[in-house]
Amino acid sequence: AQSVTQPDIHITVSEGASLELRCNYSYGATPYLFWYVQSPGQGLQLLLKYFSGDTLVQGIKGFEAEFKRSQSSFNLRKPSVHWSDAAEYFCAVGAETSYDKVIFGPGTSLSVIP
Amino acid sequence: KAGVTQTPRYLIKTRGQQVTLSCSPISGHRSVSWYQQTPGQGLQFLFEYFSETQRNKGNFPGRFSGRQFSNSRSEMNVSTLELGDSALYLCASSPKAGLYNEQFFGPGTRLTVL
Repeated sequence: AQSVTQPDIHITVSEGASLELRCNYSYGATPYLFWYVQSPGQGLQLLLKYFSGDTLVQGIKGFEAEFKRSQSSFNLRKPSVHWSDAAEYFCAVGAETSYDKVIFGPGTSLSVIP
Repeated sequence: KAGVTQTPRYLIKTRGQQVTLSCSPISGHRSVSWYQQTPGQGLQFLFEYFSETQRNKGNFPGRFSGRQFSNSRSEMNVSTLELGDSALYLCASSPKAGLYNEQFFGPGTRLTVL
């Protein structure tokens, strides 16, 4: 069955520390991969996406993610976290198949200690 | 360019009533999709419309319906509301059909069913 897991429900980091949010997927087709961020009371904003090509993807707000096909992972990283990064982060997987759907992970809530 | 707008932002209804939510996509975007977000179930896809046609539908009962107008604006209707319908309803637009494309989300409509 197709699925997306984000093993960490909640993560707390200190401002200025590095961050890595994990995402693992199970998907039969060649995946399209996304990371979205949701601030309280807001909709989702796309941070970055991977469709093909270079497996290290750069996004907005200083985020990057690396696609590792052998590990079925697409982890999100940031070298130095800012207090404004506190939010909910969602990994999502899609594919250009006839089923035409996208699956969102359960989300990881990030808290930042000043 | 204005973002995706959703009205109303907050709504309180009682069981058995019906509700209509509205979504105006980004200018030029012809695809509109709807999602339900709850703490327990996370983000779940409801349906996608493109050029006034429903392309895709998630696993929701027939009480949930939608439509898209010629100007790409979309409405979602829920009839015979149940307590479990309380959720944040998110609308997203995209210039292309297909959920695997980047989607631009609105702020959501918070529906509370009493």
